[in-house]
Amino acid sequence: DAGVIQSPRHEVTEMGQEVTLRCKPISGHDYLFWYRQTMMRGLELLIYFNNNVPIDDSGMPEDRFSAKMPNASFSTLKIQPSEPRDSAVYFCASGRNYEQYFGPGTRLTVT
Amino acid sequence: KNQVEQSPQSLIILEGKNCTLQCNYTVSPFSNLRWYKQDTGRGPVSLTIMTFSENTKSNGRYTATLDADTKQSSLHITASQLSDSASYICVPSRGSTLGRLYFGRGTQLTVWP
Repeated sequence: DAGVIQSPRHEVTEMGQEVTLRCKPISGHDYLFWYRQTMMRGLELLIYFNNNVPIDDSGMPEDRFSAKMPNASFSTLKIQPSEPRDSAVYFCASGRNYEQYFGPGTRLTVT
Repeated sequence: KNQVEQSPQSLIILEGKNCTLQCNYTVSPFSNLRWYKQDTGRGPVSLTIMTFSENTKSNGRYTATLDADTKQSSLHITASQLSDSASYICVPSRGSTLGRLYFGRGTQLTVWP
């Protein structure tokens, strides 16, 4: 398996634009997580899904953020409109049982 | 409230030396604890997972210990190598599933030749 796949790896956009981050989890995993990492706050859980259903979205900063998982092999995290404070590395992770595997991350820069 | 405290925040050691990283947590009820290694520019990778009933677990040169009574864990690295330079993150969990993990801020380890 190729592991968790995220795209794009880098994204630079202007404030106010819509940003969509994509994730393909490892086949057979029933959990999917979206995290955000910054120097100031470390790793923060934004939302996680179990069997494609959102279970806990209490970490989503505000209504500008939304996440979907239309099927077991794909998820998106959308930010609309984007703001400079959204600049961070966004990680997708998938898991099964006790194991969790992270993707390489998407580095987002909002100018 | 920060439920995971790691120390030291950063550490520099010479290649071949040993080191121990500390983690104190207040997550309750406690189920299990993970240690992750995160190389610069990459996602975290799991090193060990311990349930509340385990005291120690090893993965090669990495040995994690857990005291669930005092809510403390440590990660000991033996005979350090340059490739050990990374951030080490302590992650206690409240439930038995993957649902709720609490990430520490990490200890940044630098190994010098």
